[in-house]
Amino acid sequence: AQTVTQSQPEMSVQEAETVTLSCTYDTSENNYYLFWYKQPPSRQMILVIRQEAYKQQNATENRFSVNFQKAAKSFSLKISDSQLGDTAMYFCAWPLTGNQFYFGTGTSLTVIP
Amino acid sequence: KAGVTQTPRYLIKTRGQQVTLSCSPISGHRSVSWYQQTPGQGLQFLFEYFSETQRNKGNFPGRFSGRQFSNSRSEMNVSTLELGDSALYLCASSFSGPTYGYTFGSGTRLTVV
Repeated sequence: AQTVTQSQPEMSVQEAETVTLSCTYDTSENNYYLFWYKQPPSRQMILVIRQEAYKQQNATENRFSVNFQKAAKSFSLKISDSQLGDTAMYFCAWPLTGNQFYFGTGTSLTVIP
Repeated sequence: KAGVTQTPRYLIKTRGQQVTLSCSPISGHRSVSWYQQTPGQGLQFLFEYFSETQRNKGNFPGRFSGRQFSNSRSEMNVSTLELGDSALYLCASSFSGPTYGYTFGSGTRLTVV
């Protein structure tokens, strides 16, 4: 079965510190894409970062970066210099065949001032 | 440019009624997907439309249906509402599919009483 697992239901981090959210997945495919989405209290899902599985280089978007370990099927998100606005639910996601996303169960991140 | 617009934002319906939710995608996007989000089940895929054709459907009963118009706007309909249909319904759009990620709307919060 193709699955996505986020083992940390809740996390907290001090403002300006670094935090890493974990995600593991299981697939038999070789070429695919992985995503992290953020859902703040406003409810809108916001794309944080995208990783192409065939690229060995980890994706980076400003303070957000991933640690992609293809062999281990691990796709963690690192947030540097955490800001209060980073408080949100974070979902790891990847597109299953058939043009649909499969989302993990999410990690609730709280940034403490 | 305008984002994905979902209307209404909130809706309260009585068990047994039917409801129609609307989604206007980003201009130029032809793929529209719908997701149901609940605390217990998380984010679950409902269906995806591309150029007025349903390409994929999730594992939901036939009471859940949708359609897409020639201008890419989409509607989803739930008939014979049940208490368990209370959820946040998210619409997402992309140019052709999930490869580059979807842009989500802020959702419609449906409460069935």
